[in-house]
Order: sequence, then C-alpha cells, then structure tokens
Amino acid sequence: DIQMTQSPSSLSASVGDRVTITCRASQSISNYLNWYQQKSGKAPKLLVYTASNLQSGVPSRFSGSGYGTDFTLTISSLQPEDFATYYCQQSYGSPRVTFGQGTRLEI
Amino acid sequence: EVQLLESGGGLVQPGGSLRLSCGASGFSFSSYAMSWVRQAPGKGLEWVSGISGSAGNIYYADSVKGRFTVSRENSKNTLYLQMNSLRVEDTAEYYCAKDRGPLVNSKGGYFQQWGQGTLVTVSS
Repeated sequence: DIQMTQSPSSLSASVGDRVTITCRASQSISNYLNWYQQKSGKAPKLLVYTASNLQSGVPSRFSGSGYGTDFTLTISSLQPEDFATYYCQQSYGSPRVTFGQGTRLEI
Repeated sequence: EVQLLESGGGLVQPGGSLRLSCGASGFSFSSYAMSWVRQAPGKGLEWVSGISGSAGNIYYADSVKGRFTVSRENSKNTLYLQMNSLRVEDTAEYYCAKDRGPLVNSKGGYFQQWGQGTLVTVSS
C-alpha cells in the first residue's frame, strides 16, 4: 500500500497566520491527492481534490498544490473556524486508498 | 441536499457480530460507489470497504477481509456493512462516504460527502 506521511503532526498558529501543511507519498501518485478537514466530533469534509481543485463552497483562503510525491495545503489567513485536524488521502492506489496520519491545527 | 445517515452501532463482545446501515438521500444512489471509512478513538482515518454503484465490484482492506461484508440495496437507497468475528481493534467510529462516481476509489476519486458516523465498541 502507498504510505502517506503528513508534517507536522500538530501545529500551533494564530488567527490571521499563513499556514502550510505537507503530505508526502511513499511513491509517485501523480496529482491524485485529496485534502479533508475534520472538526472535533464531526465527520471529515472534502476541501481539495486532485491536488489543487477547491471543492464547491470551500473558502478561497484554502489552496492545494503538488505533484508526484510532495503536496501542500495552504491556508492563507487563518480564521477561528479553521482550527481542526487535516488529512491528506491518495487515490492513486485504486481501489485501496490511504490517508495521512493527520495534522492537528490548534491555537 | 445529499444526506447520509448511519445506524446500527453499539457495544458488542469480541467475536460478536453487528450490522451497520447507511441511509442515503438527495442523489441518485445507484449511480455512485459508496465506502465505509473508520476512525479508532483518537486516531486517523482508515478505509474499510467499498462497493460500486451497481454492486458489481466490491473491495476490502486487508484488516477486515473475510470478516466484514459490504452490500447495498439500491431500491432502498441503503448501504450495509455486516461485521462478524469482531475484535477489540475494530472499535471505531464508522462513516459511510459517497464517492464521486460509480466506481470504487477510481484514480482521481474522492469522498464527496460523509455521514455523521456510528460508534462501534468491541469490548468484554
């Protein structure tokens, strides 16, 4: 299975900060990389698909980039509602998809 | 509006069985593959099983193969997960998730919508 490694595992930031989360795949996955946001006690929510496409309704302060093995999720200006855990997920190793271990973003 | 509603979770002893259901509404259910994804307490997300829109293709994670069975009843807009020989390590929140198309986890696929989850606890 393709292994996904996120860094950092946790991150402290403040409202208004620019934040970048990194996801690395154990092999090349082209651009088949998705990002999800999960708030405490809630289901995950799709933010970005195929590396850089923003899901409908997601604020434009979120952006994704990358190709091959290295990917990033950037939040340009943190808002209070952005404090959550973020997961990357590869969809190259179809049908067995795998997730990163998560990055907890906290104040 | 797409809605997914899981049910059937609860407390079960090791070696026991449980059947989860996921009721869907707001979209053409048979046109989309569906998956089960679980999350152990305080841990990350793990894909468990997926079934294509027509139910013609079914896949499992190695951790549950031979013990779990996924199925769907398109006439009732419902997805199921039959869980047998449950282990302590199966304890988790179980989410159903809608794929972007009829095939399970196709290249470039993603989980568009998720249910709210149902908690399965395996303990003696």
